[in-house]
Amino acid sequence: GDSVTQMEGPVTLSEEAFLTINCTYTATGYPSLFWYVQYPGEGLQLLLKATKADDKGSNKGFEATYRKETTSFHLEKGSVQVSDSAVYFCALPLWAGGTSYGKLTFGQGTILTVHP
Amino acid sequence: KAGVTQTPRYLIKTRGQQVTLSCSPISGHRSVSWYQQTPGQGLQFLFEYFSETQRNKGNFPGRFSGRQFSNSRSEMNVSTLELGDSALYLCASSFRTGMNTEAFFGQGTRLTVV
Repeated sequence: GDSVTQMEGPVTLSEEAFLTINCTYTATGYPSLFWYVQYPGEGLQLLLKATKADDKGSNKGFEATYRKETTSFHLEKGSVQVSDSAVYFCALPLWAGGTSYGKLTFGQGTILTVHP
Repeated sequence: KAGVTQTPRYLIKTRGQQVTLSCSPISGHRSVSWYQQTPGQGLQFLFEYFSETQRNKGNFPGRFSGRQFSNSRSEMNVSTLELGDSALYLCASSFRTGMNTEAFFGQGTRLTVV
């Protein structure tokens, strides 16, 4: 079945460091791919999305490119800030029989901590 | 445009009790999905409603149920609460569902079962 795998373990960086969070997926067809962010005590916010192969989603300095050949959608940011400390989730919609019934499959989440 | 609103934000219940959580989607959104988030299991899909019909259900026991009203507002109910039901319950709404449709999440209801 469709699945998403994120890099394991928390990530700790100093401010202005480069960030990469790896995400690989298994999917039927070519669904959109999403990155969601969850700040402490909050729900999930859509960070960026890509709808087809080679698409690059970007928002707030974050970028991710939909790579069909490597089935990856890695999240990157050139210079992180303390305010980026949060949990990041890679996700894809369930797509079966020509219909997506509103279900998102999420990776396990990556905790990012940025120190001043 | 108002976002997804979940009420209440926090709940404390006793084992064996039942609980009802509410979700008001973004105006015009007809699809509402529910997720359970726990440290051990991560984000797990509970069910999805579209135009008052449940179209998809996750792998949860029958104690977990839901419904959607004609104004797209949704409720989920958990009966005979267990300690393991303690979690953050998230509701998400979408205008429609498809391969390219993103979901918008509420802030969640934090349920603690004691």
